[in-house]
Amino acid sequence: EVQLVESGGGLVKPGGSLRLSCAASGFTFSSYNMNWVRQAPGKGLEWVASISNRNGYIYYADSVKGRFTISRDYAKNSLYLQMNSLRAEDTAVYYCAGVDTAMVALAYWGQGTLVTVSS
Amino acid sequence: SYELTQPPSVSVSPGQTASITCSGDKLGDKYSCWYQQKPGQSPVLVIYQDTKRPSGIPERFSGSNSGNTATLTISGTQAMDEADYYCQAWDSSTVVFGGGTKLTVL
Repeated sequence: EVQLVESGGGLVKPGGSLRLSCAASGFTFSSYNMNWVRQAPGKGLEWVASISNRNGYIYYADSVKGRFTISRDYAKNSLYLQMNSLRAEDTAVYYCAGVDTAMVALAYWGQGTLVTVSS
Repeated sequence: SYELTQPPSVSVSPGQTASITCSGDKLGDKYSCWYQQKPGQSPVLVIYQDTKRPSGIPERFSGSNSGNTATLTISGTQAMDEADYYCQAWDSSTVVFGGGTKLTVL
């Protein structure tokens, strides 16, 4: 069974930092492009960042570029999101999602972890 | 940047057909996907590559994509289909989501 389990969310003050983790199991993690997607309270889905499986290509949404860093550890089957200089508008549930390259779609999603940026 | 536009809400009676549209410049030249999200739950892929259904998704869900518009169609809509639906496409290797459509079954 495919599982993506996020952790690391919580309450942080504006300007602070947080590191999210996503533990993957039940599929060949090294074969999948991985993404972070967030959803602010009562709002829609917003893509945040992606990292490819083989060549290490990394992409960021303009809203987080220069503040967030996506990375992955193949040995630990884990995906990470380092978030710095956090703002109130970064408050959201953060999901990790895996791309099935055959489907060309975000086929696997975690349960999400809530990040709240507030003083 | 590339944008996808969805209607904020769609209503349908039980047993009827619901259609949710997603518009974007030359969207028909790209692969489109659709995700269903129920309150408090993670999104679930219901349509990929414009028309295909993942394993476990009921046959009443179908999709199309041509020109500037992709459409998710739910035939014989059931109460359990009430949810938010998001279209998604790829633009220069990045993910783009539509704003989402709340489907109400009443």
